[in-house]
Amino acid sequence: SQKIEQNSEALNIQEGKTATLTCNYTNYSPAYLQWYRQDPGRGPVFLLLIRENEKEKRKERLKVTFDTTLKQSLFHITASQPADSATYLCALAEGSTDKLIFGTGTRLQVFP
Amino acid sequence: EAGVVQSPRYKIIEKKQPVAFWCNPISGHNTLYWYLQNLGQGPELLIRYENEEAVDDSQLPKDRFSAERLKGVDSTLKIQPAELGDSAVYLCASSIGTGRWTGELFFGEGSRLTVL
Repeated sequence: SQKIEQNSEALNIQEGKTATLTCNYTNYSPAYLQWYRQDPGRGPVFLLLIRENEKEKRKERLKVTFDTTLKQSLFHITASQPADSATYLCALAEGSTDKLIFGTGTRLQVFP
Repeated sequence: EAGVVQSPRYKIIEKKQPVAFWCNPISGHNTLYWYLQNLGQGPELLIRYENEEAVDDSQLPKDRFSAERLKGVDSTLKIQPAELGDSAVYLCASSIGTGRWTGELFFGEGSRLTVL
């Protein structure tokens, strides 16, 4: 069956450290993958998009990697801040259907 | 520039009552989506419009849910009659592209439905 898996347990890290969130998928052939941030009671906000032929994308303190062999994307936030505390969702665009499918999200808590 | 606007933000109804949600996408965005999000879960697609055409409604429970996008701009999502299990957040999103490579989605704040 098709699955997108993100760590359901919250990730707690100290301010200044690098947060690494994982998105694994099975039985999909994504054309690209996106990461979103969602704050409580708000809609998701787009952060980064990485295509199947790209290994890495960066934007300010954010970095995304995409390994189609491992079927995994890693999302890194360097020099994390309490304001980075939120739920982070990965979403993959299924190559054959154009459909964007979301994972369940991982809650990140950055404490001072 | 205004973002995706949804209303109402909150709605509490009794089961078997009807409810409707409204969405105004970002101007110029051709593709509009309705997603359902349960607590602790990611958004799940209900329906996707490209202009006026519903190009993917395979996940929409058509016995009680209906949607329309008149003139390819605003959209409404209706549930009639509502059931207890419909309690969730209904998210509207829009994107500028159509077909493949629709790119990033811009989401509204969502409409939280509670069915008693």
